[in-house]
Formats: sequence, C-alpha cells, structure tokens
Amino acid sequence: DIQMTQSPSSVSASVGDRVTITCRASQGIRTSLAWYQQKPGKAPKLLIYAASSLQHGVPSRFSGSGSGTDFTLTISSLQPDDSATYYCQQANSFPPTFGHGTKVEVK
Amino acid sequence: QVQLVQSGAEVKKPGASVKVSCKASADTFTGYYLHWVRQTPGQGLEWMGWINPLSGGTNSAQKFRGRVTMTGDTSITTVYMELTRLKSDDTAVYYCARGERSYSPDLDWFDPWGQGTLVIVSS
Repeated sequence: DIQMTQSPSSVSASVGDRVTITCRASQGIRTSLAWYQQKPGKAPKLLIYAASSLQHGVPSRFSGSGSGTDFTLTISSLQPDDSATYYCQQANSFPPTFGHGTKVEVK
Repeated sequence: QVQLVQSGAEVKKPGASVKVSCKASADTFTGYYLHWVRQTPGQGLEWMGWINPLSGGTNSAQKFRGRVTMTGDTSITTVYMELTRLKSDDTAVYYCARGERSYSPDLDWFDPWGQGTLVIVSS
C-alpha cells in the first residue's frame, strides 16, 4: 500500500496567517490526491480533489498543488473556523490510503 | 440535499459481529458507489471497501477480506457493513461515504460522509 506522510503533525498560527501543510506519497501518484478537513466529533469534509480542484462550496482561501510524490494544502488567510485536522488521501493505487493528519490551531 | 444517516453506537464483545447501516437519499443510492471508511486512534483513517447499491457488487481492502460483508436494500435505500470476528483493535468510528468518481470506485475520493457510528469492542 502507498504510505502518505504529512508534515507538520500540528501547527499553530494567527488569524490572517498563511498556513501550508505538506503531504508526501511513498511512490508517485500523479495528481490523484484529495484533502479533507475534520473538526472534532464530525466526519471529514472534502476540500480539494485531483490535487488542486476546489470542491463546491469550499472557500477560495483553500488551495492545493503538487504532483508525483509531493503535495501541499495552503490556507491563504487563516480564519477561526479553520481550526481542524487536515488529511490527505491518495486515489492512484488500490487501496486508497490516508495521511495521519495535521492539526491546525488558530491562536 | 445529499444525506447519509448511519445507525447508532454499538458495544460488542471480542469474537462477535457488528452490522452498521447507512441510509442514503434516493439519488445517491441509485447513482453512486458507497464506501466504508473507519477511523481508529492508532491507524487513523482506513478505507475498508465499496458497494454498488444497485447491483450489489462490492470490493474491499485485502486487510478486511473474509471479515467484512457489504450489502444493500434497495427498498429502503440503505446499505450495510457487517464486520465479523471482532477484535479490540476494531474499536473505531465507522463512516459511510459517497464516492465522487463513479467510473473508478477502487480509486475514489469521498463526499459527503455519514455522521459516523462508534463501535466499541470490549470484554
């Protein structure tokens, strides 16, 4: 199975800051990558698919980039509502696998 | 509005089975694959498998084959995931989720998700 490694495991930033989360795949996955946001006690929510496509209804401050093995999720101007854990997931090789998450705290 | 509504929490003993239900809206049930993903403190998010609710076709991750059965009831637009021979490390929140790529259920991303069903395995 493809291993997905996220870094950092947690980040704390202020409202308005730019936050970048990295996801690395153990082998190339083209652009078959999704990002999810999960708040405590809630189900994950799809933010980005195909590495850089914004899911309907997701604020434009979220963006994704990358291909092959290295990917990033960027929050351009952090808002209080963005406090959550973020997960990447590859969909290039069976079975789909997830990263272990990055917890974002808004100071 | 797309909705996936799951059954309530369960407590099971090791060796027992659990069956979790997921009721979908009619358009989701007829037009999409439905997936099961679980979340454990130790392993994080793990994809378990998918079901085509109309045909009943399924596929699952190697890890769960032989223990997981996914079925559907078209009359009530509900799918089920049964996991047998439960162990303590099967303690998790189990989610159903709609697949976004109907042409590629083995390689999919998921939106939306049900609210989750907590399954506790303890003697």
